[in-house]
Amino acid sequence: NAGVTQTPKFRILKIGQSMTLQCTQDMNHNYMYWYRQDPGMGLKLIYYSVGAGITDKGEVPNGYNVSRSTTEDFPLRLELAAPSQTSVYFCASSLHDRGTEAFFGQGTRLTVV
Amino acid sequence: QKEVEQNSGPLSVPEGAIASLNCTYSDRGSQSFFWYRQYSGKSPELIMFIYSNGDKEDGRFTAQLNKASQYVSLLIRDSQPSDSATYLCAVADSSYKLIFGSGTRLLVRP
Repeated sequence: NAGVTQTPKFRILKIGQSMTLQCTQDMNHNYMYWYRQDPGMGLKLIYYSVGAGITDKGEVPNGYNVSRSTTEDFPLRLELAAPSQTSVYFCASSLHDRGTEAFFGQGTRLTVV
Repeated sequence: QKEVEQNSGPLSVPEGAIASLNCTYSDRGSQSFFWYRQYSGKSPELIMFIYSNGDKEDGRFTAQLNKASQYVSLLIRDSQPSDSATYLCAVADSSYKLIFGSGTRLLVRP
C-alpha cells in the first residue's frame, strides 16, 4: 500500500522557472491538501480539494496553482519561482469524516536560487 | 490573529515527567482537533484526535478539549527521550480545511 506519494523528493529551481510537484494517493481519499513548511515553522496550507474538480485556497495560495482532475492526483504548480518559495512541501490526504487522520507524503524539498 | 496558536518552545522536561502541550484556536465552528508528531526531516504522523469536550486517553497520551475556551492540550506521561520531537496541533473546520499551528518543540532530557 503506497499511501501518499510525492515526486520529486528534491529539486533546485532557478528564479523565474516553473515546475509541478506531483502528488498521488491510492487510498480513495476525497480530501487532499498541499502544505509548505519553512525551517523551524509549522505547516501552512496552500490549497486543498474536497473532491475531483473542486479546489479552494488555503492560507498562502499566492504563486501557486492546483488542479484535481481525478480522485488520486493533486499536482501543485509553481509559476515564476521566487526565493520565498524555498521550502519543504507536503501533500496529504484524508477521508471526509470527523476524526479521520490526514496521511502525509514524504515531502519535496525545493530550493529556489 | 493566527487561527491556531502554540508556544514554539522548546519545552524541556526530564525523562519520566509529564509533558503538557497547549494549543488555542480562533474558529468556534471548528469540528475536529488533531495532534501530530514530527521528527526532524520527517513527515508529520498522527498521535491523537479528539472532537468532543473532555479527555481522551491512548496509552501514555491524553488529549483534552475545551470548546468553550477554544483550547486543546496534549499530555504525555512518563516522557521518554524518543518523545523528543515537534508536536503540531491541527484543527479542522466544518468544511474540513485542516489548519496547523506552528508547533511546539519538546525535548526530553535523559
